[in-house]
Amino acid sequence: SQQGEEDPQALSIQEGENATMNCSYKTSINNLQWYRQNSGRGLVHLILIRSNEREKHSGRLRVTLDTSKKSSSLLITASRAADTASYFCATASEGTGRRALTFGSGTRLQVQP
Amino acid sequence: DAGVIQSPRHEVTEMGQEVTLRCKPISGHNSLFWYRQTMMRGLELLIYFNNNVPIDDSGMPEDRFSAKMPNASFSTLKIQPSEPRDSAVYFCASRHGLAGGNTGELFFGEGSRLTVL
Repeated sequence: SQQGEEDPQALSIQEGENATMNCSYKTSINNLQWYRQNSGRGLVHLILIRSNEREKHSGRLRVTLDTSKKSSSLLITASRAADTASYFCATASEGTGRRALTFGSGTRLQVQP
Repeated sequence: DAGVIQSPRHEVTEMGQEVTLRCKPISGHNSLFWYRQTMMRGLELLIYFNNNVPIDDSGMPEDRFSAKMPNASFSTLKIQPSEPRDSAVYFCASRHGLAGGNTGELFFGEGSRLTVL
């Protein structure tokens, strides 16, 4: 089963609006990462937040992390048509020695021009 | 810098045929990952290597799948014999290993789209 589950599965907004995507996970983590995937392309890393951080910003992106609720959110402000893509959260589990990321099911974002 | 390079980008084959997917990681990266993406199951880790050594192959579906990393700049994923249910996009990703075991950013290739008829 997926370690991370994104919510909503799909989101359609108008250009200029903000988009919020949520991710829930199951086990304790070292860090949580968000990736973007354009149609037919590979995944591209957006931002990483460590387990001891609560909020992080990068340009129009804002990520929050609540380890007590095992959840994270990705906010894209002032969205553009070029932000249309699928967005995935990925977690690195703590204490298992596993070095691989586990990906969620993704949120498909459509930004209407 | 060139990113992760995968080949072929598209492969269409018939059931029972052997399929070999190739990956060249980013130079200097010492960890390499193979993922499979389908609509039904999302992104699944198949196997990953650290310093050319397979570390976790628990995601490899069955004996029909095998992966090798003969050197730091090349890896293959082989399916023999292929079946229609193997149809998916296969991604290779690489990363520079970090001290302390923390998992940092992955760099993905563009994927190999496999269709088994």
